[in-house]
Amino acid sequence: DQQVKQNSPSLSVQEGRISILNCDYTNSMFDYFLWYKKYPAEGPTFLISISSIKDKNEDGRFTVFLNKSAKHLSLHIVPSQPGDSAVYFCAAKSQRGGSEKLVFGKGTKLTVNP
Amino acid sequence: DTGVSQDPRHKITKRGQNVTFRCDPISEHNRLYWYRQTLGQGPEFLTYFQNEAQLEKSRLLSDRFSAERPKGSFSTLEIQRTEQGDSAMYLCASSLRTAWSSGNTIYFGEGSWLTVV
Repeated sequence: DQQVKQNSPSLSVQEGRISILNCDYTNSMFDYFLWYKKYPAEGPTFLISISSIKDKNEDGRFTVFLNKSAKHLSLHIVPSQPGDSAVYFCAAKSQRGGSEKLVFGKGTKLTVNP
Repeated sequence: DTGVSQDPRHKITKRGQNVTFRCDPISEHNRLYWYRQTLGQGPEFLTYFQNEAQLEKSRLLSDRFSAERPKGSFSTLEIQRTEQGDSAMYLCASSLRTAWSSGNTIYFGEGSWLTVV
């Protein structure tokens, strides 16, 4: 049972435009969410996170939005740059449940075209 | 380099052999995690340590897998009697949990690729 779903395997955008990556989750116990970026043959790199007590968190070109009622979060990258081309993973954890386990989606491959 | 360090980066082994991976976390990070990633999937949690104590294990961690963190610093992940299904990238990660830091930001190493032939 996939508790964290990234339904778009791939996304292609033009340089300078907005990239929107989506993530849905099914476990209502999840209360902390993270986005990671991954280049081939490398480990995931932390990008941005959000706690369930917030609905938005911003860091430079990256903004994460959380809609708890819809169990949906999204990562916005503005403006997109060719160097942003990578696989993006959404991850979630349940702090209230006492687990340190991060549950990841399958990833979305973002391609930013010059 | 002060990031999470993993060794070896690549390992090819014959089925039935034992392999061991080493992870050196970010200095002073008290939490250390092991994940596994296969092609087309996101990382899957295997286990985590708080200092030297192994506090959580996934059911993915079969009896052939054992992880240790004897002095609360580096960790090893051993796979005994490897099978072809063990072929994957093994990722180590670390974080810092203190009274004033939740330790929620988890930093990953570059991974150790295992190919079982």
